[in-house]
Amino acid sequence: EAQVTQNPRYLITVTGKKLTVTCSQNMNHEYMSWYRQDPGLGLRQIYYSMNVEVTDKGDVPEGYKVSRKEKRNFPLILESPSPNQTSLYFCASSSTSTHQDGYQEPQYFGPGTRLLVL
Amino acid sequence: GQQLNQSPQSMFIQEGEDVSMNCTSSSIFNTWLWYKQDPGEGPVLLIALYKAGELTSNGRLTAQFGTTRKDSFLNISASIPSDVGIYFCAGQLRNFGAGKSTFGDGTTLTVKP
Repeated sequence: EAQVTQNPRYLITVTGKKLTVTCSQNMNHEYMSWYRQDPGLGLRQIYYSMNVEVTDKGDVPEGYKVSRKEKRNFPLILESPSPNQTSLYFCASSSTSTHQDGYQEPQYFGPGTRLLVL
Repeated sequence: GQQLNQSPQSMFIQEGEDVSMNCTSSSIFNTWLWYKQDPGEGPVLLIALYKAGELTSNGRLTAQFGTTRKDSFLNISASIPSDVGIYFCAGQLRNFGAGKSTFGDGTTLTVKP
C-alpha cells in the first residue's frame, strides 16, 4: 500500500531534550516536506526537500533541522525542543513530475505526530 | 506570498443537507486540490483539479476549478455523519517548484444526525 508513515504518533518530552520524528514514504517520491498544524494557524511548512541531499527552509524553520540522506526518509530533528513547538506535525511527499499540461502531482500526507513539550 | 482565503471557516449542518465551500486567491494556480482531515489524522486527498473550468466528482463530492484560475469550490451532497472533519483547499503553481502547495485555513464541518 502506498503510504507515508511517521513515528512516533504521540510524544511527550521535556524542554531541551533532543528528539527526532521519522518520516518514510514508499512511493519513490522526490519531494518531501514537514508541516506543523496549530489551531487557527492552519498548515505551515517547516522544511522541504526536492531530492536526496537537497533541503530548504519553509515558512517556519526556526528550531528545526532536517536531513535527506535517502530518498524514502526525511526525519525532523528538534535539537532543543521548547514548549512553543508543541504542535501536530505532518510529513508529506509527492512526485516532482510536471505533466504536459503544467500541473504537478499533489502531496500525500502521513498520519501526524502529536508532540507535547513540557 | 500566495494566500488562499477559504470560506466558510465552519459549518454546522443537518444530516442530508448539501454543503458548499470555496477558496479564492489573489493570484492564479494551475492546480487546485481538496483534502479532508479527520480528527487526529493527516489530510487525505479528495479531488485534484488540473484545468481551468474543470468539474470533477468523487462520489457525493464535486469540485470545480474556477475559470479565472483564482478560485475553486467543493460541494458535498446529501451529507452524512462521517463527512465531519476539516476540509482544506490547496493551490499549486509550477513556479513554486514541484510539490509545494499553498493551503487554505480549512473549513470545519459538523454534521448533526
